[in-house]
Amino acid sequence: KAGVTQTPRYLIKTRGQQVTLSCSPISGHRSVSWYQQTPGQGLQFLFEYFSETQRNKGNFPGRFSGRQFSNSRSEMNVSTLELGDSALYLCASSLGEAVNNEQFFGPGTRLTVL
Amino acid sequence: SQQGEEDPQALSIQEGENATMNCSYKTSINNLQWYRQNSGRGLVHLILIRSNEREKHSGRLRVTLDTSKKSSSLLITASRAADTASYFCATALYGNKLVFGAGTILRVKS
Repeated sequence: KAGVTQTPRYLIKTRGQQVTLSCSPISGHRSVSWYQQTPGQGLQFLFEYFSETQRNKGNFPGRFSGRQFSNSRSEMNVSTLELGDSALYLCASSLGEAVNNEQFFGPGTRLTVL
Repeated sequence: SQQGEEDPQALSIQEGENATMNCSYKTSINNLQWYRQNSGRGLVHLILIRSNEREKHSGRLRVTLDTSKKSSSLLITASRAADTASYFCATALYGNKLVFGAGTILRVKS
């Protein structure tokens, strides 16, 4: 089985722009979670989608949004980028809800905001 | 502050030695998971231990959970250079949130 894929792997944007990141889960996995990882804040939960519905959301501003398609692929969008949004964005998929199942992580998208 | 906090923040050992990392948390949990991350890449799931379990093994890994002390430990026996990585505990809170700790950086010297 192919693993979790994320595109693009690297991205450079400027403040005020918006960005869309994509995640393709492992075939058959219905849950997709997104995390932001920075040296200062560590790994922080953004949101989880399960069967196209957002199940849970972390403490991030409304500029961060996501969605999941019927094929379980997911996208996250960040609007009006700020310097502090520079981070590694990780996507993870699991068969069932993330809290009760092993999550499989993708390699991440490294976002740099200038 | 974070729900799960690992201790120590960094650990340096010789190949062949055992490595122990601890995780403490604040609120009741459904389960606790351990993950490994190599050099800022994606995380790899190691073990999931449920709140009604006390110990689990997987190869050279041994995880314990003490819910009365709200703590867990990860023991890696006979460490190898390839075990060099960051190790994170993630606590699954009732209400379906998974919260990661700050991690322990393990360096195994050959």
